[in-house]
Amino acid sequence: AQRVTQPEKLLSVFKGAPVELKCNYSYSGSPELFWYVQYSRQRLQLLLRHISRESIKGFTADLNKGETSFHLKKPFAQEEDSAMYYCALSGQGGGTSYGKLTFGQGTILTVHP
Amino acid sequence: NAGVTQTPKFQVLKTGQSMTLQCAQDMNHNSMYWYRQDPGMGLRLIYYSASEGTTDKGEVPNGYNVSRLNKREFSLRLESAAPSQTSVYFCASRLGTANTGELFFGEGSRLTVL
Repeated sequence: AQRVTQPEKLLSVFKGAPVELKCNYSYSGSPELFWYVQYSRQRLQLLLRHISRESIKGFTADLNKGETSFHLKKPFAQEEDSAMYYCALSGQGGGTSYGKLTFGQGTILTVHP
Repeated sequence: NAGVTQTPKFQVLKTGQSMTLQCAQDMNHNSMYWYRQDPGMGLRLIYYSASEGTTDKGEVPNGYNVSRLNKREFSLRLESAAPSQTSVYFCASRLGTANTGELFFGEGSRLTVL
Protein backbone atom coordinates (compact mmCIF):
# COMPACT_ATOMS: atom_id res chain seq x y z
CA ALA A 1 0.00 0.00 0.00
CA GLN A 2 1.11 3.54 -0.62
CA ARG A 3 0.53 6.29 1.89
CA VAL A 4 1.44 9.96 2.20
CA THR A 5 1.42 11.84 5.48
CA GLN A 6 1.57 15.59 5.93
CA PRO A 7 1.69 16.12 9.69
CA GLU A 8 0.84 19.82 9.68
CA LYS A 9 -2.67 20.90 8.69
CA LEU A 10 -1.83 24.57 9.19
CA LEU A 11 1.45 26.44 8.95
CA SER A 12 1.89 30.15 9.52
CA VAL A 13 5.04 32.16 8.89
CA PHE A 14 5.94 35.78 8.35
CA LYS A 15 7.09 37.17 5.04
CA GLY A 16 10.79 36.63 4.55
CA ALA A 17 10.99 33.71 6.98
CA PRO A 18 12.05 30.24 5.89
CA VAL A 19 9.31 27.69 5.43
CA GLU A 20 9.32 23.91 5.41
CA LEU A 21 6.27 21.78 4.67
CA LYS A 22 6.74 18.22 5.78
CA CYS A 23 5.85 15.13 3.80
CA ASN A 24 6.50 11.50 4.72
CA TYR A 25 5.58 8.54 2.63
CA SER A 26 5.21 4.79 2.83
CA TYR A 27 5.78 2.70 -0.25
CA SER A 28 7.51 -0.61 -0.79
CA GLY A 29 9.00 0.21 -4.18
CA SER A 30 10.72 3.23 -5.66
CA PRO A 31 8.23 6.10 -5.67
CA GLU A 32 7.77 9.17 -7.75
CA LEU A 33 6.94 12.16 -5.58
CA PHE A 34 5.26 15.47 -6.31
CA TRP A 35 4.11 18.66 -4.69
CA TYR A 36 0.84 20.18 -5.87
CA VAL A 37 -0.51 23.58 -4.89
CA GLN A 38 -3.99 25.08 -4.82
CA TYR A 39 -4.10 28.86 -4.69
CA SER A 40 -7.33 30.59 -3.75
CA ARG A 41 -9.95 30.23 -6.53
CA GLN A 42 -7.54 28.36 -8.78
CA ARG A 43 -7.23 24.76 -9.85
CA LEU A 44 -4.86 22.35 -8.25
CA GLN A 45 -1.61 22.46 -10.17
CA LEU A 46 1.78 20.83 -10.13
CA LEU A 47 4.44 22.74 -8.25
CA LEU A 48 7.37 20.40 -8.65
CA ARG A 49 8.35 16.74 -8.99
CA HIS A 50 11.35 15.08 -7.45
CA ILE A 51 12.62 13.55 -10.65
CA SER A 52 13.11 16.98 -12.21
CA ARG A 53 15.26 18.26 -9.35
CA GLU A 54 14.07 21.75 -10.17
CA SER A 55 13.29 24.86 -8.18
CA ILE A 56 9.91 26.42 -8.86
CA LYS A 57 8.95 29.81 -7.39
CA GLY A 58 11.90 29.43 -5.02
CA PHE A 59 10.67 26.10 -3.67
CA THR A 60 12.80 22.97 -3.60
CA ALA A 61 12.19 19.45 -2.34
CA ASP A 62 14.65 16.64 -1.86
CA LEU A 63 13.72 13.00 -1.76
CA ASN A 64 15.26 11.32 1.28
CA LYS A 65 14.76 7.60 0.83
CA GLY A 66 16.36 6.78 4.17
CA GLU A 67 13.85 8.91 6.06
CA THR A 68 11.09 8.35 3.47
CA SER A 69 10.53 12.08 3.30
CA PHE A 70 10.00 14.70 0.62
CA HIS A 71 9.84 17.99 2.48
CA LEU A 72 9.14 21.23 0.60
CA LYS A 73 11.35 24.18 1.46
CA LYS A 74 11.69 27.84 0.64
CA PRO A 75 14.28 30.09 2.24
CA PHE A 76 12.24 33.30 2.13
CA ALA A 77 8.46 33.01 2.10
CA GLN A 78 6.31 35.50 0.20
CA GLU A 79 2.68 36.46 0.79
CA GLU A 80 1.73 35.02 -2.60
CA ASP A 81 2.91 31.60 -1.37
CA SER A 82 -0.19 31.37 0.81
CA ALA A 83 -2.09 28.34 -0.46
CA MET A 84 -2.96 24.71 0.18
CA TYR A 85 -0.06 22.37 -0.54
CA TYR A 86 -0.38 18.67 -1.23
CA CYS A 87 2.34 16.07 -1.34
CA ALA A 88 1.61 13.17 -3.69
CA LEU A 89 3.11 9.78 -4.50
CA SER A 90 2.86 7.74 -7.66
CA GLY A 91 3.57 4.05 -7.56
CA GLN A 92 6.01 2.46 -9.92
CA GLY A 93 5.71 -0.83 -11.67
CA GLY A 94 2.79 -2.72 -13.05
CA GLY A 95 -0.17 -4.43 -11.54
CA THR A 96 -2.89 -2.66 -9.65
CA SER A 97 -0.58 0.08 -8.40
CA TYR A 98 0.21 1.37 -11.88
CA GLY A 99 -1.04 4.88 -12.40
CA LYS A 100 -2.28 5.26 -8.83
CA LEU A 101 -1.55 8.70 -7.43
CA THR A 102 -2.03 9.15 -3.69
CA PHE A 103 -2.20 12.52 -1.94
CA GLY A 104 -1.52 13.57 1.61
CA GLN A 105 -3.94 15.45 3.81
CA GLY A 106 -2.65 18.84 2.71
CA THR A 107 -1.07 21.77 4.55
CA ILE A 108 -2.55 25.25 4.47
CA LEU A 109 0.32 27.73 4.39
CA THR A 110 -0.36 31.31 5.45
CA VAL A 111 2.35 33.90 4.98
CA HIS A 112 1.71 37.04 7.02
CA PRO A 113 3.01 40.45 5.93
CA ASN B 1 -7.99 23.75 -25.42
CA ALA B 2 -10.21 23.39 -22.34
CA GLY B 3 -8.11 20.83 -20.45
CA VAL B 4 -10.24 18.94 -17.92
CA THR B 5 -13.90 19.87 -17.76
CA GLN B 6 -16.27 18.73 -15.02
CA THR B 7 -20.02 19.09 -14.82
CA PRO B 8 -21.97 20.09 -12.86
CA LYS B 9 -20.03 22.58 -10.74
CA PHE B 10 -22.65 22.57 -7.98
CA GLN B 11 -25.34 20.07 -7.04
CA VAL B 12 -27.67 19.56 -4.10
CA LEU B 13 -29.18 16.12 -3.63
CA LYS B 14 -31.50 14.51 -1.14
CA THR B 15 -30.45 11.31 0.58
CA GLY B 16 -31.13 8.34 -1.68
CA GLN B 17 -31.09 10.26 -4.95
CA SER B 18 -28.68 9.33 -7.69
CA MET B 19 -26.51 11.44 -9.92
CA THR B 20 -23.57 11.27 -12.29
CA LEU B 21 -20.60 13.61 -12.38
CA GLN B 22 -19.21 14.00 -15.84
CA CYS B 23 -15.57 14.56 -16.73
CA ALA B 24 -13.94 15.07 -20.09
CA GLN B 25 -10.39 15.89 -21.14
CA ASP B 26 -9.15 17.02 -24.51
CA MET B 27 -5.42 16.40 -24.00
CA ASN B 28 -5.39 12.82 -25.30
CA HIS B 29 -4.43 11.58 -21.84
CA ASN B 30 -4.50 7.91 -21.02
CA SER B 31 -5.12 8.03 -17.26
CA MET B 32 -8.05 9.64 -15.49
CA TYR B 33 -8.91 9.99 -11.80
CA TRP B 34 -11.68 10.93 -9.41
CA TYR B 35 -10.80 12.42 -6.03
CA ARG B 36 -12.84 13.85 -3.22
CA GLN B 37 -11.58 16.71 -1.07
CA ASP B 38 -12.71 17.01 2.53
CA PRO B 39 -11.41 19.33 5.27
CA GLY B 40 -8.67 17.64 7.26
CA MET B 41 -8.71 14.60 4.98
CA GLY B 42 -7.02 16.07 1.96
CA LEU B 43 -7.54 14.52 -1.45
CA ARG B 44 -8.65 10.92 -1.41
CA LEU B 45 -8.70 8.76 -4.49
CA ILE B 46 -12.10 7.26 -5.27
CA TYR B 47 -11.46 5.47 -8.55
CA TYR B 48 -9.00 5.74 -11.36
CA SER B 49 -8.56 4.53 -14.88
CA ALA B 50 -4.95 3.96 -15.86
CA SER B 51 -5.91 3.47 -19.49
CA GLU B 52 -9.01 3.27 -21.65
CA GLY B 53 -10.92 0.13 -20.84
CA THR B 54 -9.63 -0.28 -17.28
CA THR B 55 -10.83 1.04 -13.94
CA ASP B 56 -9.53 0.41 -10.44
CA LYS B 57 -10.63 1.24 -6.94
CA GLY B 58 -8.84 3.87 -4.97
CA GLU B 59 -8.93 4.51 -1.24
CA VAL B 60 -12.64 5.30 -0.82
CA PRO B 61 -14.66 3.57 -3.56
CA ASN B 62 -17.70 2.53 -1.52
CA GLY B 63 -20.91 4.14 -2.69
CA TYR B 64 -19.50 5.09 -6.10
CA ASN B 65 -19.26 3.60 -9.54
CA VAL B 66 -17.30 4.79 -12.55
CA SER B 67 -17.38 4.40 -16.28
CA ARG B 68 -14.53 5.08 -18.66
CA LEU B 69 -16.80 5.79 -21.60
CA ASN B 70 -13.94 6.38 -24.04
CA LYS B 71 -10.48 7.87 -23.89
CA ARG B 72 -11.85 11.37 -23.25
CA GLU B 73 -14.57 10.74 -20.70
CA PHE B 74 -14.64 9.32 -17.18
CA SER B 75 -17.87 9.58 -15.20
CA LEU B 76 -18.55 9.08 -11.50
CA ARG B 77 -21.94 7.84 -10.35
CA LEU B 78 -23.57 7.97 -6.96
CA GLU B 79 -26.38 5.41 -7.00
CA SER B 80 -27.92 6.32 -3.64
CA ALA B 81 -26.44 9.50 -2.22
CA ALA B 82 -25.67 9.76 1.48
CA PRO B 83 -24.79 12.83 3.58
CA SER B 84 -21.28 11.39 4.02
CA GLN B 85 -20.78 11.96 0.29
CA THR B 86 -21.06 15.71 0.72
CA SER B 87 -17.72 16.87 -0.63
CA VAL B 88 -15.87 18.60 -3.42
CA TYR B 89 -15.07 16.19 -6.23
CA PHE B 90 -12.14 16.61 -8.57
CA CYS B 91 -11.52 14.89 -11.83
CA ALA B 92 -7.95 14.75 -13.11
CA SER B 93 -6.01 13.28 -15.98
CA ARG B 94 -2.47 12.68 -17.05
CA LEU B 95 -0.70 11.33 -20.06
CA GLY B 96 0.00 8.13 -18.21
CA THR B 97 2.89 6.78 -20.23
CA ALA B 98 5.14 7.32 -17.20
CA ASN B 99 4.34 7.78 -13.56
CA THR B 100 6.22 11.06 -13.55
CA GLY B 101 3.51 12.69 -15.62
CA GLU B 102 1.83 15.85 -14.40
CA LEU B 103 -1.75 15.53 -13.21
CA PHE B 104 -4.18 18.10 -14.65
CA PHE B 105 -7.24 18.90 -12.58
CA GLY B 106 -10.74 20.08 -13.30
CA GLU B 107 -12.26 22.97 -11.39
CA GLY B 108 -14.13 20.74 -9.00
CA SER B 109 -17.78 19.86 -8.37
CA ARG B 110 -19.31 20.79 -5.03
CA LEU B 111 -21.90 18.24 -3.99
CA THR B 112 -24.20 18.61 -0.99
CA VAL B 113 -26.36 15.71 0.16
CA LEU B 114 -29.16 16.65 2.53
